[in-house]
Amino acid sequence: GAVVSQHPSWVICKSGTSVKIECRSLDFQATTMFWYRQFPKQSLMLMATSNEGSKATYEQGVEKDKFLINHASLTLSTLTVTSAHPEDSSFYICSARDFGTGTQETQYFGPGTRLLVL
Amino acid sequence: EDKVVQSPLSLVVHEGDTVTLNCSYEVTNFRSLLWYKQEKKAPTFLFMLTSSGIEKKSGRLSSILDKKELFSILNITATQTGDSAIYLCAVKGVQKLVFGQGTRLTINP
Repeated sequence: GAVVSQHPSWVICKSGTSVKIECRSLDFQATTMFWYRQFPKQSLMLMATSNEGSKATYEQGVEKDKFLINHASLTLSTLTVTSAHPEDSSFYICSARDFGTGTQETQYFGPGTRLLVL
Repeated sequence: EDKVVQSPLSLVVHEGDTVTLNCSYEVTNFRSLLWYKQEKKAPTFLFMLTSSGIEKKSGRLSSILDKKELFSILNITATQTGDSAIYLCAVKGVQKLVFGQGTRLTINP
């Protein structure tokens, strides 16, 4: 299957700082990537849909000014958590939809990034 | 609003037992239902189901979809300790995947 990477896998930061998380599709082009957040013992919640070359679409309740998404190329999307606070501590997971094979229903997940804000 | 509900939320069995995990859904413009296994990291894909009544099988795991009753089951036979994980059901509508809460499965030796 297709491979999606995320970097970093772990980040600890002080409250008020900004954190950037990268999501890359390694062996396919992804016009659409998705960003999820997962709190402990809860399921994945979609935060936003990232479209290459255009603005991201945010889910209801997700602050677009706090969670900045950039999808500048067909293989890279970034999520920046601006002015992070302890309540932003979570597991952030990206996924990518394979453009080449047209398997639109199957998304490939990255390994996730654990963010801890002190 | 699209909704996916999994049951049970938690299940503890002994190695060798057979388990059945349930997923029911309400989704506008249903496209497909997917099962994922999540251990310590991100989910790994198990099955994608689009048609009713056609069983998908992979080793000891199998799954089937009922689009009339709006549910799916995931069966695991002869369970092993390595099957311990959270099993997520997700349904795709027009654009996005909607995930259920997951079933935390624990297999005791």
